[in-house]
Amino acid sequence: AQKITQTQPGMFVQEKEAVTLDCTYDTSDQSYGLFWYKQPSSGEMIFLIYQGSYDEQNATEGRYSLNFQKARKSANLVISASQLGDSAMYFCAMRRPSGGYNKLIFGAGTRLAVHP
Amino acid sequence: DTGVSQDPRHKITKRGQNVTFRCDPISEHNRLYWYRQTLGQGPEFLTYFQNEAQLEKSRLLSDRFSAERPKGSFSTLEIQRTEQGDSAMYLCASSSSDPASGNTIYFGEGSWLTVV
Repeated sequence: AQKITQTQPGMFVQEKEAVTLDCTYDTSDQSYGLFWYKQPSSGEMIFLIYQGSYDEQNATEGRYSLNFQKARKSANLVISASQLGDSAMYFCAMRRPSGGYNKLIFGAGTRLAVHP
Repeated sequence: DTGVSQDPRHKITKRGQNVTFRCDPISEHNRLYWYRQTLGQGPEFLTYFQNEAQLEKSRLLSDRFSAERPKGSFSTLEIQRTEQGDSAMYLCASSSSDPASGNTIYFGEGSWLTVV
């Protein structure tokens, strides 16, 4: 069965430092996609970054990068130069190939607190 | 692109009452999803529409839940005879089936339901 595991319920980081949020996944599918979303207290799920299982290079989007290690089935999110506005819940999700559409399975999330 | 909008943002209802949530997806998106998120958990898939057709329903969607997307644009999620266990945030998301648009799924800000 497909599953996403985020082992860090909470993380703290000093402003301007880098932080890594862990995500491991379990799937027997060969083709899949991995997402990271940010959820501030307002509730909206904000898309951050996407990595396809066949992508050879790690995805990057501005200050966000995804450390994809396929053999280890991990897809850690790295946030560089943390800002106070980065404080939020972060969810890792996996896209199941199901009838060709994007059905997402989410992890339990990691709450990130950025300190000044 | 006005994003995915949901209404109402917050709803408090008495047990046994019916509630309805509305979702307006991004205008050019033909795929629409509903997810449910309880406190401290990641979102869980409820149902999926491609245009006006409801193609998949999760087992989480009991007989008291019904979702529609009558003209392939906005969608409604109705919960009949609400129970306290229905208290959660209901998230709507949309995406495009056009491969050129990428793999991004965009979420709305969610509708918080409290059943008292």
